[in-house]
Amino acid sequence: GAVVSQHPSRVICKSGTSVKIECRSLDFQATTMFWYRQFPKQSLMLMATSNEGSKATYEQGVEKDKFLINHASLTLSTLTVTSAHPEDSSFYICSASGTEKNQPQHFGDGTRLSIL
Amino acid sequence: AQTVTQSQPEMSVQEAETVTLSCTYDTSESDYYLFWYKQPPSRQMILVIRQEAYKQQNATENRFSVNFQKAAKSFSLKISDSQLGDAAMYFCAYSQTSGSRLTFGEGTQLTVNP
Repeated sequence: GAVVSQHPSRVICKSGTSVKIECRSLDFQATTMFWYRQFPKQSLMLMATSNEGSKATYEQGVEKDKFLINHASLTLSTLTVTSAHPEDSSFYICSASGTEKNQPQHFGDGTRLSIL
Repeated sequence: AQTVTQSQPEMSVQEAETVTLSCTYDTSESDYYLFWYKQPPSRQMILVIRQEAYKQQNATENRFSVNFQKAAKSFSLKISDSQLGDAAMYFCAYSQTSGSRLTFGEGTQLTVNP
């Protein structure tokens, strides 16, 4: 089955640093990738949608300069949390969908980000 | 805008028994997809079952089945013969097409008692 690989799975860093999270589709072309954020005991909230070769579309309330998304190829999308602060600590999870009709999204395993 | 509501924050069931998780949604579209995802403590998102709105037949996957009531905009998940491994957070979700953005409900934490 389709596989999406997300790295790193866990990152702890100091306040003010930037953190990059990668999301790769291993065996299919991901024309669209989604980035979600999940706080403890809460649901997944869509942050942005990216299409290969285009600028990402951000949801209302998500700072595009804070959360930089790049989707330069059909197999890789990255989310960079710039100048991270403790309030950015959360679980970030990506998903990808390809060109096959009626196929559901495939999720990565998520990244637990902790900002000290 | 589409919304998904799960009114049961927590549910519990005895091992081998049956449990039903509720979900309602709101949309003005006539064709769409509904999903149930399972999220165990590892926080992986696991697709349990999927329903296409234009299909009247309720989807089933082994011990998991849905009761899809399109007019009532209701999409409940029934888990039969519950197993300890079924314990997890369950999310109901909606999307316009199968691979498009998902709108999730608040989730239901399912506990399975031995």
